[in-house]
Amino acid sequence: QTVVTQEPSLTVSPGGTVTLTCASSAGAVTYNNYANWFQQKPGQPPRALIYSTDTRHTLTPARFSGSLLGDKAALTLSGVQPDDEAEYYCLLYYAGVYVFGTGTTVTVL
Amino acid sequence: DVQLVESGGSLVQPGGSLRLSCVGSGFIFSNFRMHWVRQAPGKGLFWVSSIEGDEITTHYADSMRGRFTISRDNAKNTVYLQMNTLRVEDTALYYCARDNPDFWGQGTLVTVSS
Repeated sequence: QTVVTQEPSLTVSPGGTVTLTCASSAGAVTYNNYANWFQQKPGQPPRALIYSTDTRHTLTPARFSGSLLGDKAALTLSGVQPDDEAEYYCLLYYAGVYVFGTGTTVTVL
Repeated sequence: DVQLVESGGSLVQPGGSLRLSCVGSGFIFSNFRMHWVRQAPGKGLFWVSSIEGDEITTHYADSMRGRFTISRDNAKNTVYLQMNTLRVEDTALYYCARDNPDFWGQGTLVTVSS
C-alpha cells in the first residue's frame, strides 16, 4: 500500500505564510494524482479546501492555494489567521484508489 | 443544501457484522461518486472505499477488500457499507463523503469491543 507523508507539525505566526507538503512513496506526485487538501478541527468532520491539485472549492478563502512543488503536492497558507490552526490532510488518487496523508498539525503562534 | 447523514454505527463484538448507511440530499445522488472514510480515535483519516454513480464500479483500500462491501441504491439516495468479521482495530468514526470528496457527513461511530 502506498504511503503518503506530510510534515507532522508546523508553526506559523499570524499574518505569515506556511507551506505544507504531501509526498508519495510511489514516486513523484503529478496532476494525475488529483491532490485534495482538507482542514479538520477537533470534533468536526473534514472541510474540503482544494481539489485537483490547485482548484479551490467555492467557499475556500483565497489565502489557501494548492500546487505541485518539485515531486510533491503542496498547500500554501498566506496571511495566516488564528482560525487556521487545525489539522490538515492531503488525499491522493491512484487509479481508483485513494490514500490520505499522515496529516500536519498547524499551530498559529 | 447538500446533506449527508450517516447511521448504523454501534457497539459490536469482535467477529460481528454491521451495515452503515448514508443518505444524501440536496443534490442528484446518482451523478456522484460516494466514499466511506474512517478515523480511529485520535488518529488520522483513512480512505476505505468508493462507489461510482452506476452502482457497479467499486474500489477498496487493500486492507478492507474482502471484509467490507460498499453498495448504493440510487432510488433511495443511500450508500451502504457492509462490514464483516469486525476487529477491535476497526473502531472508528465512519464518514461518508461525496465526489472529490467535497461534502462530508458528521459520521457514525463504530466500536468493536468485547
